[in-house]
Order: sequence, then C-alpha cells, then structure tokens
Amino acid sequence: DQQVKQNSPSLSVQEGRISILNCDYTNSMFDYFLWYKKYPAEGPTFLISISSIKDKNEDGRFTVFLNKSAKHLSLHIVPSQPGDSAVYFCAASDGGSQGNLIFGKGTKLSVKP
Amino acid sequence: SQTIHQWPATLVQPVGSPLSLECTVEGTSNPNLYWYRQAAGRGLQLLFYSVGIGQISSEVPQNLSASRPQDRQFILSSKKLLLSDSGFYLCAWSGGVVTRETQYFGPGTRLLVL
Repeated sequence: DQQVKQNSPSLSVQEGRISILNCDYTNSMFDYFLWYKKYPAEGPTFLISISSIKDKNEDGRFTVFLNKSAKHLSLHIVPSQPGDSAVYFCAASDGGSQGNLIFGKGTKLSVKP
Repeated sequence: SQTIHQWPATLVQPVGSPLSLECTVEGTSNPNLYWYRQAAGRGLQLLFYSVGIGQISSEVPQNLSASRPQDRQFILSSKKLLLSDSGFYLCAWSGGVVTRETQYFGPGTRLLVL
C-alpha cells in the first residue's frame, strides 16, 4: 500500500503560468515533507521542504503548501520556466532515527515555451 | 560543503557477472547512507540503508547486498547479476546539521545487464 501518492503521472504547463504538483499521504505520523526534482540520468535534487508545524514554505519561485487535515501537500512553481521540465518527487518522513523517506512515484512536468 | 560521489557512471555487465558500485561522501561525518534503484518508468525504491559502519538494513530481499566498510563509504554488490538488476542506482546521504531528514543524492550509476 502506497503511503505517499502522486496521482498525476504527468503535467503540461505553458511557460510563465503556474505549475501545481500534488501529493497525498496516508500516514498521520509523517512530520516532514520534501520535494525533489530529477532530470533524466541524474540524481534527484532537493528543492524545498516543510515541517508539519507549518502550512506553507516559500523559496523563490517554489512554494509548498501542507494541509494536514486533508493529508495533502502541493508544490507551486510560479512562473514556470522551460528549465523546470523534469520529474518531481514528493517524499515524507516520520522522523525515525534511520531517516528513511517514503517517496511518491513522481510527476513529469513539461513546461512549454 | 558536502559532496557525494558515485562510480562508475555507466556500467554494462553480462548476466551472472559480479557487481560492485561505490559511493563516498565528503564534508560530513557519521551520515546515514542509502542505496536506491529507479527502474525504467518507476519511482525510487529503497534497497539498503545504513546508520553506521557495518550496520546495514535491507528493505527488499533480492540478489544484491551492501556494505559500509568506512564511515563515508557505501558499497552495493552482487555475486551474480540478473537481467532484472538493470536500472539506475542512486546513493544518498542524510544527517545534515540543519535538517537530519533531508537526503542528498549522488549522480547515479546506470547499470545495464545483458
């Protein structure tokens, strides 16, 4: 059973518009959430994270929103740029000592010029 | 600053041959270390993790094994590769000062078993 779900395998957005990537989770013990960006044949790059004590975290064009009651988080990219085209992974942690993350299956974002 | 290295970048191996992939981390001490595999069109599958030298936990029983001979070195091995071992292998570390949970990934190794 998937504890972290990214239900949209792909998303296409026009350059300059907003990209919204969604992620749902089932485990209420998760207290830290992360987004990673991955280009083909490269390792994932950490983008932004949010602790469960917050409902929003912003870093430049990237904002992550957390809705704990709905067990839902989203990544907003504004404005979207062609270089943002990549696979985005959502991940969650329950704060265990081993630091394991549970990853979603990813959403492929295509930003068209 | 911390950096993570993986080699080789690409590897083509025949079925039944052994495997050794190496990962090293610089600029930090006592990191948690992880091996992941990304098969074609799929997400990230955690294979092994280690919280210290000689301490290995396996997430998925399979044809692979891992070892941590030194604090910042993590090795993924196999005695006999299978076709299904093909994929993109990623090493990651965590345990940074700011947030212990954030994992930082290496560049990956693409393995093709023929």
